[in-house]
Amino acid sequence: DQQVKQNSPSLSVQEGRISILNCDYTNSMFDYFLWYKKYPAEGPTFLISISSIKDKNEDGRFTVFLNKSAKHLSLHIVPSQPGDSAVYFCAAFKEGDYKLSFGAGTTVTVRA
Amino acid sequence: DVKVTQSSRYLVKRTGEKVFLECVQDMDHENMFWYRQDPGLGLRLIYFSYDVKMKEKGDIPEGYSVSREKKERFSLILESASTNQTSMYLCASSYGRNKNTEAFFGQGTRLTVV
Repeated sequence: DQQVKQNSPSLSVQEGRISILNCDYTNSMFDYFLWYKKYPAEGPTFLISISSIKDKNEDGRFTVFLNKSAKHLSLHIVPSQPGDSAVYFCAAFKEGDYKLSFGAGTTVTVRA
Repeated sequence: DVKVTQSSRYLVKRTGEKVFLECVQDMDHENMFWYRQDPGLGLRLIYFSYDVKMKEKGDIPEGYSVSREKKERFSLILESASTNQTSMYLCASSYGRNKNTEAFFGQGTRLTVV
């Protein structure tokens, strides 16, 4: 029973344009949401996170938006760069718990 | 910088073999995790440990066991490898419990069981 879902397996975007990655979750008890980026043959690396008490968090080109009523979050990358081509995983966890629940991932390809 | 190191990048094992995957972290993290990554399924938690000699089952523990004899080391054991255990295995560690616990990952071990 996957509690975190990324329904778009892939996304192709032109360099310089905006990439929007979506994530839905079913567990209303989640307190934190994170995005990880993964290149082939490497482990995931942390990108950005947001607490459930906020609706937006920004870090440079990356912004995460949280809509708690819809149980939906999104990651915006502006402007997209070739080095952003990677798999992006959405993850969530409940404070006091140990584990992260991950989505299936979205492969982003940035075209020159 | 946190470093999580997995002992092998690539492994090929035969069906029925006992397989050990080793993971070491150098940041004194309490929590350590083993995930497997498969296409279309994302990262699924196999086992985790929140302290030395402590272990908890994750979402898919069948066919696996773990060992944590020292705080910095967490081993994943495939008791009798099967072809459906061919996957990318990722070790991770994190600090504490009641925090925004960002997990740090190793580089992964691509295991092929033939």
